[in-house]
Amino acid sequence: DSGVTQTPKHLITATGQRVTLRCSPRSGDLSVYWYQQSLDQGLQFLIQYYNGEERAKGNILERFSAQQFPDLHSELNLSSLELGDSALYFCASSKGLAGAYEQYFGPGTRLTVT
Amino acid sequence: DQQVKQNSPSLSVQEGRISILNCDYTNSMFDYFLWYKKYPAEGPTFLISISSIKDKNEDGRFTVFLNKSAKHLSLHIVPSQPGDSAVYFCAASRDAGNNRKLIWGLGTSLAVNP
Repeated sequence: DSGVTQTPKHLITATGQRVTLRCSPRSGDLSVYWYQQSLDQGLQFLIQYYNGEERAKGNILERFSAQQFPDLHSELNLSSLELGDSALYFCASSKGLAGAYEQYFGPGTRLTVT
Repeated sequence: DQQVKQNSPSLSVQEGRISILNCDYTNSMFDYFLWYKKYPAEGPTFLISISSIKDKNEDGRFTVFLNKSAKHLSLHIVPSQPGDSAVYFCAASRDAGNNRKLIWGLGTSLAVNP
C-alpha cells in the first residue's frame, strides 16, 4: 500500500460527458502528479501540483483540468469525453517539489468511455 | 520525441536465470534515473534508482548499471523469480531549477517462467 488513494476505482461513462477523478496523496506529501496510461502506451505525464499550485504541465488536453485543494487532495476533471480518453489514470505523490526522485502511485482509476 | 526508450516491449526468462532490462536515453542532461515495477491493475512502485555520479547501484537481487557515454542503463535481476513478472518502466529526470519531472519509457513486460 503506497498510501496514495484514488477514487473511484472504475468509471464507465458516455461520450460527451464530464467526470472527476479524485486523489489523496500520502500523508506529508505536497506534490501530486497525474498520469494517463492508455492501452499499449507508457505512462503519459499530465500535470503536477505542489502545495496547491500548478508546477508542471505535460501532455494534458485542454478538455482536461486539475486542481489541488488546501487539504492537498487533488481532482482531475475530464470533460467532453471521447472514446480515446478511455485509459487508466494514475495519481502519484512525492514529498517535495523536485519530486522526480521517487513518486508513490495510487492504484489508478480505470475510465471507460462508451 | 521519445527521450527515454525501452526498445524491448517484452522479455521472457527462466526462473533462476538473469533478467536484463535495457533503457536508452537521448538527453545528456538527465542526471537521475529510476526503475519502477508495475503489476496489472496496480500503480507503479519504485524499485531502484541511480544518480549520474555513479555507474552502479545494487539492492538485493536488483542492480542498475549506468553507462553515461552510451546513454544507456540496464536493470539486472538475479536470480529471477516468477513474482518478478511485471512491467518495468525506466524513468529519467534532470535538474531544471524547481521543476524536475520524470520522463518515462514505454515499459518492458517481463515474464519469468517457472
